[in-house]
Amino acid sequence: AQKVTQAQTEISVVEKEDVTLDCVYETRDTTYYLFWYKQPPSGELVFLIRRNSFDEQNEISGRYSWNFQKSTSSFNFTITASQVVDSAVYFCALSEYNFNKFYFGSGTKLNVKP
Amino acid sequence: DVKVTQSSRYLVKRTGEKVFLECVQDMDHENMFWYRQDPGLGLRLIYFSYDVKMKEKGDIPEGYSVSREKKERFSLILESASTNQTSMYLCASSPGTSGGRKTQYFGPGTRLLVL
Repeated sequence: AQKVTQAQTEISVVEKEDVTLDCVYETRDTTYYLFWYKQPPSGELVFLIRRNSFDEQNEISGRYSWNFQKSTSSFNFTITASQVVDSAVYFCALSEYNFNKFYFGSGTKLNVKP
Repeated sequence: DVKVTQSSRYLVKRTGEKVFLECVQDMDHENMFWYRQDPGLGLRLIYFSYDVKMKEKGDIPEGYSVSREKKERFSLILESASTNQTSMYLCASSPGTSGGRKTQYFGPGTRLLVL
């Protein structure tokens, strides 16, 4: 069965600190996709990144970086030099190869204090 | 830009009422989804549809039904609302495997309170 675990329920940091959000997944599929979404207080989930199961290259986009490790079934998300605008709930998700079903973790609430 | 709209941001209903939540997407996506979001539980899939008039149950379909008569519109129906259906409801769409950006696009959500 597919499962995504985000063990960190809530994290609080002070602005400019680095923070890593953990995501561990379970699947028996060989082809799958991993995602991170951001949900700001307004409520709408915003897509951040997608990774397929054959691409273990880490990715960096500005202050955001993602570390995908198949050996540990993890897809962690790091925000460097956090800002107050990063405060949100972040969801990790897994989809099957055909994108028909998505499995979401329970989310990590990030509070960035000035 | 892909746009997914939901008919209401906030809704208050009474126990036993029939409730309709509407979702419309404007990017010709094949797949559409309904989730509910509750604190500590993340997003749980209620139903999804991969084509007009096609639907499949998700993880928590009990107490809900859906309708997809047109490709752009996916409706969630609570036949007889109960207090345990108080939640945030999120609609999403995705292009499937045929093309387009391979991700889900979400609407702003509907906060439903059942009294």
